[in-house]
Amino acid sequence: GAGVSQSPRYKVAKRGQDVALRCDPISGHVSLFWYQQALGQGPEFLTYFQNEAQLDKSGLPSDRFFAERPEGSVSTLKIQRTQQEDSAVYLCASSSSSYEQYFGPGTRLTVT
Amino acid sequence: AQSVTQLDSQVPVFEEAPVELRCNYSSSVSVYLFWYVQYPNQGLQLLLKYLSGSTLVESINGFEAEFNKSQTSFHLRKPSVHISDTAEYFCAVRGDTGGFKTIFGAGTRLFVKA
Repeated sequence: GAGVSQSPRYKVAKRGQDVALRCDPISGHVSLFWYQQALGQGPEFLTYFQNEAQLDKSGLPSDRFFAERPEGSVSTLKIQRTQQEDSAVYLCASSSSSYEQYFGPGTRLTVT
Repeated sequence: AQSVTQLDSQVPVFEEAPVELRCNYSSSVSVYLFWYVQYPNQGLQLLLKYLSGSTLVESINGFEAEFNKSQTSFHLRKPSVHISDTAEYFCAVRGDTGGFKTIFGAGTRLFVKA
């Protein structure tokens, strides 16, 4: 079956632009996670959904970051007024059990 | 809150040699522990996990990790590595009392040389 997919795979934004990153989880997976991975670092937790409910958003770095999962499947991570420090790979993961997470390929965001 | 320290950023090793990738964690509650692997140009995938029970856990490709509560460690070992084991390895921890936030270490790049 299909794994987790993310789009776009690469995004270049000018500083100040808004961006939207999409995640299609594995069908039927209740849990969905977003992570930010800076170069040379491990993934850093941003937020967690169980179905459509956002249960933990403690990792979102500022109020410019917003995530939603309105129908409990596809999720979108939106970054408003992008800054250079937002440049990173954004990873999405889904899970049926909340133990093993299945990761997508990531979206590499470069802010110029 | 939890944190994870991977003590080595890079580990070069010759093929068929043993390897140990070190991971230490800190937590005020009991934890679940994970090792994820990222092969070149691929996404992260789970290698093995400790949830409860036996402190020694194994993967299907010969890696093993031992949960040591007193030393707060979860080191990853393989007795004989292959070229194909070249990858980035991430240790991760999650508290077992509610919450789903998973904390990852900075990663260890294992480079297996012929």
